[in-house]
Amino acid sequence: DAGVIQSPRHEVTEMGQEVTLRCKPISGHDYLFWYRQTMMRGLELLIYFNNNVPIDDSGMPEDRFSAKMPNASFSTLKIQPSEPRDSAVYFCASSFGYGEYEQYFGPGTRLTVT
Amino acid sequence: GDSVTQMEGPVTLSEEAFLTINCTYTATGYPSLFWYVQYPGEGLQLLLKATKADDKGSNKGFEATYRKETTSFHLEKGSVQVSDSAVYFCALSGPPNAGKSTFGDGTTLTVKP
Repeated sequence: DAGVIQSPRHEVTEMGQEVTLRCKPISGHDYLFWYRQTMMRGLELLIYFNNNVPIDDSGMPEDRFSAKMPNASFSTLKIQPSEPRDSAVYFCASSFGYGEYEQYFGPGTRLTVT
Repeated sequence: GDSVTQMEGPVTLSEEAFLTINCTYTATGYPSLFWYVQYPGEGLQLLLKATKADDKGSNKGFEATYRKETTSFHLEKGSVQVSDSAVYFCALSGPPNAGKSTFGDGTTLTVKP
């Protein structure tokens, strides 16, 4: 399997612009997670899905952030409008289940908002 | 709620030194425990795991034992290499937070030749 695929790998945008990050989980995995990583705040869980349904979005920082999973092989994280403080590395991860099942992380999208 | 506390870094060692990174946890149930490693510019990847008390996870010379009595899962390696330089995350997963994992803050390891 190709692993978790994220695109783009790097994104540079200006403040106020809309940003869309994309993720393709590993086939057969029924959990999908979106994380944000910064030096200041470390690794933060933003939202996760089970069978395409959002289960917990309590980590989404504000209404500017939204995430969707229209089918089992695709998810998006959208920021509108973007702000400089959104600059971070965003990771998507998927897992076969929970408990004993590990998460498989994608390579991340490095977002820079100027 | 569940929490994971890791030894603060950064940790700097010479090649072939012994490594210990401490991890303790608080959980209401009986979680599975994990160590993930993150190399520069990459996502996290599983290093090892243990799913029940007294289990030992091992991989690439790293080991950790699930100690329920001390709620710990310390990572050890007998002889580190420069290529082990990375950030190491301890994590737990299991009910009642079904589905998501709780991660520690990460410990940065630098191994010098």
